Amino acid sequence: DAKTTQPTSMDCAEGRAANLPCNHSTISGNEYVYWYRQIHSQGPQYIIHGLKNNETNEMASLIITEDRKSSTLILPHATLRDTAVYYCIVRVAGANSKLTFGKGITLSVRP
Amino acid sequence: EPEVTQTPSHQVTQMGQEVILRCVPISNHLYFYWYRQILGQKVEFLVSFYNNEISEKSEIFDDQFSVERPDGSNFTLKIRSTKLEDSAMYFCASSPQAKSSYEQYFGPGTRLTVT
Repeated sequence: DAKTTQPTSMDCAEGRAANLPCNHSTISGNEYVYWYRQIHSQGPQYIIHGLKNNETNEMASLIITEDRKSSTLILPHATLRDTAVYYCIVRVAGANSKLTFGKGITLSVRP
Repeated sequence: EPEVTQTPSHQVTQMGQEVILRCVPISNHLYFYWYRQILGQKVEFLVSFYNNEISEKSEIFDDQFSVERPDGSNFTLKIRSTKLEDSAMYFCASSPQAKSSYEQYFGPGTRLTVT
């Protein structure tokens, strides 16, 4: 699986958009970009995924650059409960393929 | 909304003892996984399981580890002779067959403490 690079940490104000960047310059054509988060020591939580097109769901939006070498996760109105470690993972499309977690980015939402 | 559940939430055991960690995946899911996270470290893949067989395992998943789906609902991880370094959070995950991207849904974890 391709490797991802994320900043170590960032913060944002409650109610503002949080834009979390991720670089995956060696991504292959059959690899998806996934975002998960982990709140404290809870189990990782799936947020969103995409292949080429931008995606949006009830939790977040995912913007993938045209060359697919980077992406941005957007939490449109961050709340204190969004404080967590966010993982950007690239993964071969396939039923059994594992998730390879990096260190992620720690997002701190301040009041 | 269906969830992956895990029991117990916390297990304390002595070194050398056997432990079984239990998971109930989401009911219509067909792919199952175990991950672990040592305190302060990354989440690490242990094993994936499909159709009553191990699909992939990591270097961590040595002969001391085994997985089983004893019935239609449970998925277990057994550690035969625990070591101090097995102390970690163990997460079970499952994913459905129907979707092309196979996102994995994680349980809340079992904290294993080996003394």
